[in-house]
Amino acid sequence: AQSVAQPEDQVNVAEGNPLTVKCTYSVSGNPYLFWYVQYPNRGLQFLLKYITGDNLVKGSYGFEAEFNKSQTSFHLKKPSALVSDSALYFCAVRAHAGSARQLTFGSGTQLTVLP
Amino acid sequence: KAGVTQTPRYLIKTRGQQVTLSCSPISGHRSVSWYQQTPGQGLQFLFEYFSETQRNKGNFPGRFSGRQFSNSRSEMNVSTLELGDSALYLCASSPIGTGRTSGNTGELFFGEGSRLTVL
Repeated sequence: AQSVAQPEDQVNVAEGNPLTVKCTYSVSGNPYLFWYVQYPNRGLQFLLKYITGDNLVKGSYGFEAEFNKSQTSFHLKKPSALVSDSALYFCAVRAHAGSARQLTFGSGTQLTVLP
Repeated sequence: KAGVTQTPRYLIKTRGQQVTLSCSPISGHRSVSWYQQTPGQGLQFLFEYFSETQRNKGNFPGRFSGRQFSNSRSEMNVSTLELGDSALYLCASSPIGTGRTSGNTGELFFGEGSRLTVL
């Protein structure tokens, strides 16, 4: 079975500081990894994905994520946080092959950027 | 290109009733997935449809069902509603289903959701 862990329910960071939202995963074989963001009463918006290749993936709104195979992690990062980045962030995983092909999401991390 | 459209956005039902939610995928997308989002359980996969066939199903009781039409639009139905069915129901589309291999990275495009409240 595939799973995702987001160990922090809440992350607070001051505007202008770097931010990190943590994610670890478990999946058989090679993973596809995703980050999504959700604003209040809205659906999920795709931020970025890791499929293969370069371990550092760049996405929308200045976000990036680093894939670490040995640590099975895919942490989301941004060099300088904005108040408008405050939202709920979800990490998701799926296997390249096999029966569990749907996305499995983590429990989400509420990011609050303080002005 | 228009995004994923879900209707209705908000609805209130009472226990025992049934509800039907609708989803129109992005034009050209043939796969539609449904997720239930609750504060306690997070995002849970309900089912996926591709080419009018259910390809994958999550761990939900038979009261939850769905279908997909030839134009890729999808509906999900919940019968005999329970209080615990109160949730945000999210529909997502992708160009091809999870059963395909070549070029399928699984990226999903979500609608705004249908918020169901069961009283």
